Amino acid sequence: AQKVTQAQTEISVVEKEDVTLDCVYETRDTTYYLFWYKQPPSGELVFLIRRNSFDEQNEISGRYSWNFQKSTSSFNFTITASQVVDSAVYFCALHHPGNTPLVFGKGTRLSVIA
Amino acid sequence: EPEVTQTPSHQVTQMGQEVILRCVPISNHLYFYWYRQILGQKVEFLVSFYNNEISEKSEIFDDQFSVERPDGSNFTLKIRSTKLEDSAMYFCASSDRVPGQASYEQYFGPGTRLTVT
Repeated sequence: AQKVTQAQTEISVVEKEDVTLDCVYETRDTTYYLFWYKQPPSGELVFLIRRNSFDEQNEISGRYSWNFQKSTSSFNFTITASQVVDSAVYFCALHHPGNTPLVFGKGTRLSVIA
Repeated sequence: EPEVTQTPSHQVTQMGQEVILRCVPISNHLYFYWYRQILGQKVEFLVSFYNNEISEKSEIFDDQFSVERPDGSNFTLKIRSTKLEDSAMYFCASSDRVPGQASYEQYFGPGTRLTVT
């Protein structure tokens, strides 16, 4: 079974705080891809990152960083020094090779308060 | 940069009416998808389409739904007789294989918000 769990439904932080969004996935396959998308209030899905199952190196992009741990089937997302513009719903998703659908988690709504 | 476009951005319709949601995928992509997101919920897969036929569909995609690629550019989702519970954001996506990888990168359109009254 393929499943993505984002246990945090809503998180609220004060601007400049760091925040980590959790993502745990389930799959039987050894090859898969993990994604994070941002959905701002306007509703579109903004691609943030894709990571394949063979690359466990952590990645940093500006204030964003991702921690991929196969041992715990987790792909967590950290925003450093959060800003009001980071307020959005964030979705983690799982994809298997080929022409297959993305499996999304339920999303975490992040509110950054000035 | 090429992008997936969707029209209209917002559609309001009465229960029982037929609606057609339109998508223009990225021009050289061969795989097309529709996803649905009911307000406040997760994004759910509806159907995938390749080579002029459905490759895979979810249990949500019942007989009320159909997809079509009527010409070389458009990809449409038709809901034959809308119900209140069809109110949602509908996302179209298209994909192509990532060079050197087994992954098919899916590019999402901005979505069509469907409101059924």
